[in-house]
Amino acid sequence: QKEVEQDPGPLSVPEGAIVSLNCTYSNSAFQYFMWYRQYSRKGPELLMYTYSSGNKEDGRFTAQVDKSSKYISLFIRDSQPSDSATYLCAITPGTASKLTFGTGTRLQVTL
Amino acid sequence: DVKVTQSSRYLVKRTGEKVFLECVQDMDHENMFWYRQDPGLGLRLIYFSYDVKMKEKGDIPEGYSVSREKKERFSLILESASTNQTSMYLCASRTLRRGTYNEQFFGPGTRLTVL
Repeated sequence: QKEVEQDPGPLSVPEGAIVSLNCTYSNSAFQYFMWYRQYSRKGPELLMYTYSSGNKEDGRFTAQVDKSSKYISLFIRDSQPSDSATYLCAITPGTASKLTFGTGTRLQVTL
Repeated sequence: DVKVTQSSRYLVKRTGEKVFLECVQDMDHENMFWYRQDPGLGLRLIYFSYDVKMKEKGDIPEGYSVSREKKERFSLILESASTNQTSMYLCASRTLRRGTYNEQFFGPGTRLTVL
């Protein structure tokens, strides 16, 4: 079993839609949960991170972690064409540990 | 702003060649990482370095080696390139501060094709 599973998509939504991106993981030792965004031909960049369970909001983006079900989500409200990118979840047990990445979900927001 | 640069955006090499991929960061970060990214497999860690002259194997080190002689520079070496090493290679760096999450900053990537 992979440590983290992510639906690869691609996911195509119209502008203004609410987008839900999800990952599941297998090891309960993971404490930090990240979402990276990667535009075409660029390196990933950190979008947001969450420590332990709960929600975190940053503008149109909300990250959610449910440790009881080992499920992490990223919600994008009022999606824009500029949100078109690959979104990677990443998990780690500690701040000095290695990251384990999901395979990434490719999102296309159409006009 | 943190800047991580990689020596080439695109590289084409022949099977059996020795290949050097260079990565430089300008923020005095202790840790540096090399990943490869392949469709359907995501980012996989090849090697990482906690500090100068230190290196640790990642999840897929076979066929690769690394060098970190200076803090700002981390090199990935393919001793004898093979076609299955055709991939996107990403370098990252991070600092280490206690009590907070330490973000990894990525370079733009090098797309290597081995013919």
